[in-house]
Amino acid sequence: DAGVIQSPRHEVTEMGQEVTLRCKPISGHDYLFWYRQTMMRGLELLIYFNNNVPIDDSGMPEDRFSAKMPNASFSTLKIQPSEPRDSAVYFCASSTQYGNSYNEQFFGPGTRLTVL
Amino acid sequence: GENVEQHPSTLSVQEGDSAVIKCTYSDSASNYFPWYKQELGKRPQLIIDIRSNVGEKKDQRIAVTLNKTAKHFSLHITETQPEDSAVYFCAASNQAGTALIFGKGTTLSVSS
Repeated sequence: DAGVIQSPRHEVTEMGQEVTLRCKPISGHDYLFWYRQTMMRGLELLIYFNNNVPIDDSGMPEDRFSAKMPNASFSTLKIQPSEPRDSAVYFCASSTQYGNSYNEQFFGPGTRLTVL
Repeated sequence: GENVEQHPSTLSVQEGDSAVIKCTYSDSASNYFPWYKQELGKRPQLIIDIRSNVGEKKDQRIAVTLNKTAKHFSLHITETQPEDSAVYFCAASNQAGTALIFGKGTTLSVSS
């Protein structure tokens, strides 16, 4: 398996623009997580899905942030409109509740977002 | 909800010394405690984990101890090497056991 795949790896945009981050989890994993990492706040859990259904979105900072998982192999995190304080590295991770490595989260390479 | 505190935030040691990072958690229902290592510009990667039915686990130079009564767990790295320099994160599972809450991280610097 190629692991968790995220795109784009880097995104530079201007304030007010819409940003869409994409994630493909490891095949067979039934949980998908979106995190935001900054120096000030560390690694924050934004939202997570189980079997494509959002379970907890209490970490989503504002209504400008939204996430979807239309199928088991694809998820998006959208920011509209983007603001400079959204600049961060966004990680996607996936895990499974089954097998010897249950609960272990595998992280994607991250998307470094810069909002000018 | 779960809260995870991690100390220290930075740690500098000489090559060959031991390093200890400590975490406390708030939710007694937590039952999974992983440690992740993140090198500069890279993704966090699991280095060791422990589940609530085990008090200690060791893998070569790294070990983790868990005290469920006191609700704290620690990472021990022995014979540190320069390549151990990274940010280390502890985490604890949420009450449902489905998500992880991460500590703020410890920047470990190993000088030769």
